[in-house]
Amino acid sequence: GNSVTQMEGPVTLSEEAFLTINCTYTATGYPSLFWYVQYPGEGLQLLLKATKADDKGSNKGFEATYRKETTSFHLEKGSVQVSDSAVYFCALSPLAGTASKLTFGTGTRLQVTL
Amino acid sequence: SAVISQKPSRDICQRGTSLTIQCQVDSQVTMMFWYRQQPGQSLTLIATANQGSEATYESGFVIDKFPISRPNLTFSTLTVSNMSPEDSSIYLCSVRLAGEGTQYFGPGTRLTVL
Repeated sequence: GNSVTQMEGPVTLSEEAFLTINCTYTATGYPSLFWYVQYPGEGLQLLLKATKADDKGSNKGFEATYRKETTSFHLEKGSVQVSDSAVYFCALSPLAGTASKLTFGTGTRLQVTL
Repeated sequence: SAVISQKPSRDICQRGTSLTIQCQVDSQVTMMFWYRQQPGQSLTLIATANQGSEATYESGFVIDKFPISRPNLTFSTLTVSNMSPEDSSIYLCSVRLAGEGTQYFGPGTRLTVL
């Protein structure tokens, strides 16, 4: 079946540090890949997505590249801010039409300090 | 994208009672889903809400405990029945737009059962 593996958290960084949150997946075919962010006390927001190999999703300074050869979709940001403190979820959706369901990773908590 | 609202945003309930959560979307969507997020955990799919027919439940979730309605393309309700403290979670509504593979999430309903 499909699965998503994320690096364990929490990740604690100082402001302006470089961020990488690893995400690898197992799926048949060519899934779409997503990063969602959950700020404290809120629901999930779509951060970025990629739908085919070598696509790069980007938003708010975050980037992730769909790497089929390594089945990875690592999230990166060059300089984090305190306001980026949140839980980040990697997810995949298999390309099986509208019946496909999201598979989530366990989430990685990021805490950014001054 | 889609704008999704949920009511109530939070509630504190007594054991043995039931709570109905509403989800409203600002556009017609192909699929609506209900998720549960237990404290500190990832998201678990409860069911897919089908318009005009019974919801499709995931393993471990049953209609008697989580009855779902979807009377039209933009509205759904989830009822948590005969609640116990183990039902304390965030319940999230999610939608997929027609022609898109992306899922969007509502702000969630934070339920505490005493």
